[in-house]
Amino acid sequence: QVQVVQSGAELKKPGSSVQVSCKVSGGTFNDYGINWVRQAPGQGLQWLGRVIPLSGTTHYPQRFQGRVTVSADKSTTTAYMELNSLTSEDTAVYYCALKALYWRPDYFDYWGQGTLVAVS
Amino acid sequence: ETVMTQSPATLSVSPGERATLSCRASQSVGSNLAWYQHKPGQGPRLLIHGASTRATGIPARFSGSGSGIEFTLTIGSLQSEDFAVYYCQQYNNWPTFGQGTKVEIK
Repeated sequence: QVQVVQSGAELKKPGSSVQVSCKVSGGTFNDYGINWVRQAPGQGLQWLGRVIPLSGTTHYPQRFQGRVTVSADKSTTTAYMELNSLTSEDTAVYYCALKALYWRPDYFDYWGQGTLVAVS
Repeated sequence: ETVMTQSPATLSVSPGERATLSCRASQSVGSNLAWYQHKPGQGPRLLIHGASTRATGIPARFSGSGSGIEFTLTIGSLQSEDFAVYYCQQYNNWPTFGQGTKVEIK
């Protein structure tokens, strides 16, 4: 059984950075594609990027290119998302979302519980 | 970027009734469409992928249809645990999500 557990809530100042972690247990970590998705208050879901732990390959949508860094540590089966130059518009719940097989299309089988990042 | 538009924003339904949710893409996404159920305090739950394939363990009352730009999620007979927000997501190119439809108790 796959479990995805994220780090706790963060309160950050504008202009600072935040790192959110995502511990994955169960299954084969190297098979996953690990994605990050956020939901701002009253908004829908927004994809921030992904990492393939097996290769370290990352992909980002243009709007977040250069401001988001996603990574994965195979030794601890933990993924990370770092977001820089925070503004109040980055206040959101951030989710780690797993694709069960990295070569498969981008729909997400397993999700973490979410991490609230508040910027104020 | 492919923009996904869901309607209605809110759907009021009585338990036992059928619910029909719509999702429209700004350009064709083929059958590369997923649906998720989202409850407060939890991560979203995958219901449907490939526009019409139920994910593992999803009850048969959930069904998806459509292709190209128009998609539908139907919940056959609403149970108490089905009241939640539902999102569609395209994965024909970089993933994008709709704004969600809240299914509430009438």
